[in-house]
Amino acid sequence: DGGITQSPKYLFRKEGQNVTLSCEQNLNHDAMYWYRQDPGQGLRLIYYSQIVNDFQKGDIAEGYSVSREKKESFPLTVTSAQKNPTAFYLCASSIGRVIYNEQFFGPGTRLTVL
Amino acid sequence: RKEVEQDPGPFNVPEGATVAFNCTYSNSASQSFFWYRQDCRKEPKLLMSVYSSGNEDGRFTAQLNRASQYISLLIRDSKLSDSATYLCVVNPRTKIIFGSGTRLSIRP
Repeated sequence: DGGITQSPKYLFRKEGQNVTLSCEQNLNHDAMYWYRQDPGQGLRLIYYSQIVNDFQKGDIAEGYSVSREKKESFPLTVTSAQKNPTAFYLCASSIGRVIYNEQFFGPGTRLTVL
Repeated sequence: RKEVEQDPGPFNVPEGATVAFNCTYSNSASQSFFWYRQDCRKEPKLLMSVYSSGNEDGRFTAQLNRASQYISLLIRDSKLSDSATYLCVVNPRTKIIFGSGTRLSIRP
């Protein structure tokens, strides 16, 4: 079964802690993305990567970091510098290295800061 | 003005009705357009791409109006299972912009 997996599904963090969200895809897609969704709002792009070992900031990158050491994996670290990290985090991927192709999403991780 | 705007709804329509949503965009250089469906507390799933000539998939029809800079989604013979939030996506080549979504609720 090809697809995108994210883990964990739910994550609770204490203030001041860094946490890393996992995203793996076996679709052989070149591009991968991280979004954040707040209640009643659309998706906002945090980071995206079009190729291994390269990534670009999206609209709300402050307080987040990513790496792309393998084509299949694009983990997101939410650092303590992120002021309001409680949200629904979605990872996506798309064919090719252009960012305007249709995207396929993982099931998401709900992060709550206690 | 927002780059992509959608009527948030909710649209509350009876089963079997026809319903249409629009999504307006501000960047005339936008290259690709999509409609996604998102169920409550789930990930968005691609519903349809939107082509210049318009496209249809069963009960769903998507249209692009470049002159007026909007895309539309028409749902015919709506089913209870169509209840969801519908997100439009506009890509002006160097950006990816999601609308905030339109909530649709189909009542029996």
